[in-house]
This record gives sequence, C-alpha cells and structure tokens, in this order.
Amino acid sequence: QKEVEQNSGPLSVPEGAIASLNCTYSDRGSQSFFWYRQYSGKSPELIMSIYSNGDKEDGRFTAQLNKASQYVSLLIRDSQPSDSATYLCAVNLNTGGFKTIFGAGTRLFVKA
Amino acid sequence: KAGVTQTPRYLIKTRGQQVTLSCSPISGHRSVSWYQQTPGQGLQFLFEYFSETQRNKGNFPGRFSGRQFSNSRSEMNVSTLELGDSALYLCASSRDQQGLDTEAFFGQGTRLTVV
Repeated sequence: QKEVEQNSGPLSVPEGAIASLNCTYSDRGSQSFFWYRQYSGKSPELIMSIYSNGDKEDGRFTAQLNKASQYVSLLIRDSQPSDSATYLCAVNLNTGGFKTIFGAGTRLFVKA
Repeated sequence: KAGVTQTPRYLIKTRGQQVTLSCSPISGHRSVSWYQQTPGQGLQFLFEYFSETQRNKGNFPGRFSGRQFSNSRSEMNVSTLELGDSALYLCASSRDQQGLDTEAFFGQGTRLTVV
C-alpha cells in the first residue's frame, strides 16, 4: 500500500464549477497535511496546509481532513482555467522532524 | 524575502560521473529536504537535514548523499551516475518550529540529465 494515494485523473471540470480532489494516507499517526499545486515545468507551490479534523477555507480553496478515515480532500470553487495543473497531496509522516511524502498527483483540467 | 535557491538550474553529466547540487533555504528555515521527481515515480523523498544532521532518509541507494552546513545551506551528491538518475531534483525548506509548523517551500529545482 502506498503511503499517500491519489486518483491520477485527469479530472476535467467546466469553468466556474467545483473541482474535488481526494487523497488517502496510510500512516495513522500523521499530523500535518498539505496540498501543493504544480504547473508543468515548474516546482510545487504550497496552497493549503491542514492539521485538525474538519474544514479549512482560504479563498476559493477548502481543505478537508478526516483523520479517522485517513482522508484529505481539496475543493476548488469557481474553478478557472488558470487552476489547470497537477495537485499534489502531501503528508508529513510521524517520524519526528520532516519527512513529507507526496502522492502521485491529480491532473486537473478546467475547460473554458 | 528570498525563496529557496537551487544551483545550478541545469546539468548534463555522463554516466559514471558524480554531481553536487546546492540549496540555500529561506532565511530562518533550518530544515532542508531533497526530492527526486521523475514522470514515472513522481516526487520521491531522498533525505532531510536539520542542524547539520540527517534526520530522515528515503529509500535511495548510498550513491545519493547529502550534507548541511552551519548556515543551513545544503548540498546533495550523487556518485557513479546512472541514466536513471536523470530527473528534476528539488529542495524544500521548512522552519520546523516545535509543533506542527512543517510547511515546506520548494526551490526551482535542478534538472539533471545523464547521458
């Protein structure tokens, strides 16, 4: 079982719709969870971090965490063509210090 | 505030050679991690350094090594290069305060091509 799993997609949504990206993780002791966005040819860019169960909103982005189900999600409201990118789910493992493992990423296409 | 700086941006090396990549973290960040990104394997964790000590390690052969200096700058070295080492190597820095502050920020990466 991979430590962090994501649907590779591609996920295609029309402009203005809600894009929903999902991620599961295997380390039950993990405490820190992140979503990164990576445009083609660029390095990953941090867009959300979440540490507690529930929802965390930042502009058009909402991260959701359910530690009991070992599940993290990212909702993008009012999707724009500029949101088209690969979204990487990342989990900091409970090893002490920094060991953040990334999922394979979900490619999102927002159609104008 | 300057971001994470990686040098060089591009490298072409021959099989069997060795290479050293450099990473300067964001000022005040003490944790530096290295990743290898390839189309087939995605982002793979290499290792993490904190206060000049390797604190975490991924599943890479011993040909991959690193170090961190007292100013938190880090280098990674790959010896006896193989064609499969061709990848984008990314460095990420984190403030790593006590508790949950482990947000990491990436540099632009070094694109290594082994021929």
